[in-house]
Amino acid sequence: ETGVTQTPRHLVMGMTNKKSLKCEQHLGHNAMYWYKQSAKKPLELMFVYSLEERVENNSVPSRFSPECPNSSHLFLHLHTLQPEDSALYLCASSQGEGGTQYFGPGTRLTVL
Amino acid sequence: AQTVTQSQPEMSVQEAETVTLSCTYDTSENNYYLFWYKQPPSRQMILVIRQEAYKQQNATENRFSVNFQKAAKSFSLKISDSQLGDTAMYFCAFMRGATSGTYKYIFGTGTRLKVLA
Repeated sequence: ETGVTQTPRHLVMGMTNKKSLKCEQHLGHNAMYWYKQSAKKPLELMFVYSLEERVENNSVPSRFSPECPNSSHLFLHLHTLQPEDSALYLCASSQGEGGTQYFGPGTRLTVL
Repeated sequence: AQTVTQSQPEMSVQEAETVTLSCTYDTSENNYYLFWYKQPPSRQMILVIRQEAYKQQNATENRFSVNFQKAAKSFSLKISDSQLGDTAMYFCAFMRGATSGTYKYIFGTGTRLKVLA
């Protein structure tokens, strides 16, 4: 379970705050993903990075800003979020775009 | 558009018994992959089993096996000799093959499985 790590594990923020979620993978993969998991809804793919380039952006609001400085690290920068953005945010990585994904433990985000 | 449907929101099974979780999908693609993921209460999503659509043989992984019916677009997961540690949320997922164009990875809504002692 240490192949993909995420920090922080829990985050509470106000609507005017700016925070960042961090993901790090130790598997030598070249693709990374951000997902949003809300109660009673399917897992929603937010962003896909392959070889450090963004290849998919599924109509995510601009208050979410991803960054992939290298193949091992992925960030999700958050600003002026809304209460409905409260969810579990999962990071995953794979070898090759679309390969079997390995997930991190997630960050439980609460927006007040 | 591809869709993945898990029609059983919750299920329970007695320890040591067998349980089958259903998953159906809709696609016009011929080259794709199907997955079952497990998410225990600790929240880390774990791959359980993977099936390539071009393979007719059903994938198996120890106590976990699938019944892949390509024509019916059905991909059920069978858990044999259920253990308390199998208690988790189970997600079925579809991935379009690399030759089919842009990337597509779709998850179902999940089935919450509880194994009873």
